[in-house]
Amino acid sequence: EVQLVESGGGLVKPGGSLRLSCAASGFSFNDYIMNWVRQAPGKGLEWVASISWDGEYISYADSVKGRLTISRDNAKNSLFLSINSLRAEDTATYYCVRVVGSGRYILDHWGQGTLLTVSS
Amino acid sequence: AIQMTQSSSSLSASIGDRVTIPCRASQDIDRALSWYQQRPGTAPKLLIFAASHLHSGVPSRFSGSGSGTDFTLTISGLQPEDFATYFCLQTSDYPLSFGGGTTVEIK
Repeated sequence: EVQLVESGGGLVKPGGSLRLSCAASGFSFNDYIMNWVRQAPGKGLEWVASISWDGEYISYADSVKGRLTISRDNAKNSLFLSINSLRAEDTATYYCVRVVGSGRYILDHWGQGTLLTVSS
Repeated sequence: AIQMTQSSSSLSASIGDRVTIPCRASQDIDRALSWYQQRPGTAPKLLIFAASHLHSGVPSRFSGSGSGTDFTLTISGLQPEDFATYFCLQTSDYPLSFGGGTTVEIK
């Protein structure tokens, strides 16, 4: 069974930094593109970042470029998202999402999410 | 960047109704469009990929159509568990972009 389990969220002060983690199991993690998607409380979904299977190709949303870093450790079946200079608008549930599809790009499995609250 | 628009933020329907949810892309995305269902407090679930392909395990009352810029999610015979929020997502190009969501409420 595919499982994606996020962790690392919590209450952080504006200007601070943290790293979110996603532990993957039930599939061959190093074969898949992975994404982070976030959702502010009561709002819609926002794509944040994507990383290729080998970490060679990375894309970011313009709204977060320069403050967020997506990375992965295939040996540990783990995905990460580091965020610095945290702002109130970064408050959201952050989802780790797998991508499948040869010739297609399908976000198929989502973790349960980890909530990050940025507040003083 | 490609903008995705779901013109209705909410709609009311009754059990057994046929519901259609539109989604429009700001430019041609061919068929690179997925639909997700999200119930309160839970992660989104994939329903439809490549505009019209039903994801494994999704009931056949869900269907998708469209290509280019205009897409539709149809629920034929609304069930109690279908009251939720539905999002479209374009995967034609980075940055990926979601529609704002349409909440299906009980009439």
